[in-house]
Amino acid sequence: DQQVKQNSPSLSVQEGRISILNCDYTNSMFDYFLWYKKYPAEGPTFLISISSIKDKNEDGRFTVFLNKSAKHLSLHIVPSQPGDSAVYFCAASGEGGQFYFGTGTSLTVIP
Amino acid sequence: KAGVTQTPRYLIKTRGQQVTLSCSPISGHRSVSWYQQTPGQGLQFLFEYFSETQRNKGNFPGRFSGRQFSNSRSEMNVSTLELGDSALYLCASSFFGGGRKLFFGSGTQLSVL
Repeated sequence: DQQVKQNSPSLSVQEGRISILNCDYTNSMFDYFLWYKKYPAEGPTFLISISSIKDKNEDGRFTVFLNKSAKHLSLHIVPSQPGDSAVYFCAASGEGGQFYFGTGTSLTVIP
Repeated sequence: KAGVTQTPRYLIKTRGQQVTLSCSPISGHRSVSWYQQTPGQGLQFLFEYFSETQRNKGNFPGRFSGRQFSNSRSEMNVSTLELGDSALYLCASSFFGGGRKLFFGSGTQLSVL
């Protein structure tokens, strides 16, 4: 049972525009959410996180929004750059500490 | 600080064989988790070890096993390999069990022929 879902397998965006990646979860006990970025032949690298007590967290060009009532989070990248082209995974964890990952969204930023 | 190190990077095995993958966590990290990545399936949790004890286990058959040593290094073993075991196996470490950020290694790409 997939507790974290990324329904868009791929996304293409023009350089300089905004990229919005979406993630939905089903478990209301999740209280911490993360986004990871993965290049081919490399392990995922941490990008940004948010606690359930917040609804927004910013780090440079990256902003994560959390809507607890909708069990939805999104990652905004502004402006998008060709180097942002990668697979993005969202992840969630709760009190037990185990992380649950989505299936990933492949972002392509077109120069 | 050195990152998470996984060896080997690539492996080719045949059906029925067994394989052992190794992971050295970041110095000071005591929790090690293993994930399987296959196309379209994302990262599937295998198990987590903390202080040599398995804390959590995912929904994988008993052919998948692991262990952690006193220096926090971890090994994962898959016995009686099947074609469907072909995947990228990722190891991640965190400062303590349930730590709120995982640091991943580059993975071991296993191909089962």
